[in-house]
Amino acid sequence: SYVLTQPPSVSVAPGETAKITCGGDKIGSKTVHWYQQHPGQAPLLVIYYDGDRPSGIPERFSGSNSGNTATLTISGVEAEDEADYHCQVWDYSSDNVEFGGGTKLTVL
Amino acid sequence: QVQLVQSGAEVMKPGASVKVSCKTSNYTFTDYGMNWVRQAPGQGLEWVGWIGTYTGKPNYAQKFQDRVTVTTDTSTRTVYMELRRLRSDDTAVYYCARGPHSGTLDFWGQGTLVTVSS
Repeated sequence: SYVLTQPPSVSVAPGETAKITCGGDKIGSKTVHWYQQHPGQAPLLVIYYDGDRPSGIPERFSGSNSGNTATLTISGVEAEDEADYHCQVWDYSSDNVEFGGGTKLTVL
Repeated sequence: QVQLVQSGAEVMKPGASVKVSCKTSNYTFTDYGMNWVRQAPGQGLEWVGWIGTYTGKPNYAQKFQDRVTVTTDTSTRTVYMELRRLRSDDTAVYYCARGPHSGTLDFWGQGTLVTVSS
């Protein structure tokens, strides 16, 4: 199966920029999606197709994908952004959906 | 607004089967497939499987291939996931999530907690 690696935790002060990475072999050749999950809630799509934002998602959320790393960037972090973030791809070789292990974003 | 409403929490004995439902509304049911994803306590997300709601064709993660069945009822716009031979490590919140099996999971149900305990 295709392995996605995320850091367990990232911490950032309010107003600063948070970068959450998702590593995988040649992940730049795949399409990456990102989900935000607050405690006790279902995941919410925040970035799809590497860098597109669904309607209603603030512009401070952006994404990029190249080489072996995809990155979710949150500019001007707010307290409400404190949550778990999960990256996801579709692995064509196994025809399976794969998730990263998730990253807990803490707003200091 | 797209809605996915799942059935309530279940407590099951080891070896039993559980069937979780996901009732949909406010979109054309057969235009989108449905995924099932689970999350064990304190853990990350794990994909279980997917079904094409137009074709009825399923696709399962290899780990669950011999224990899971996903079905649809087009008349009630409902998708079902049945997991058999339950073990304690199947204890998790199970989510349905709309989307193609190769793309974005754009809307999620509220989740169903399945607890497996003797």
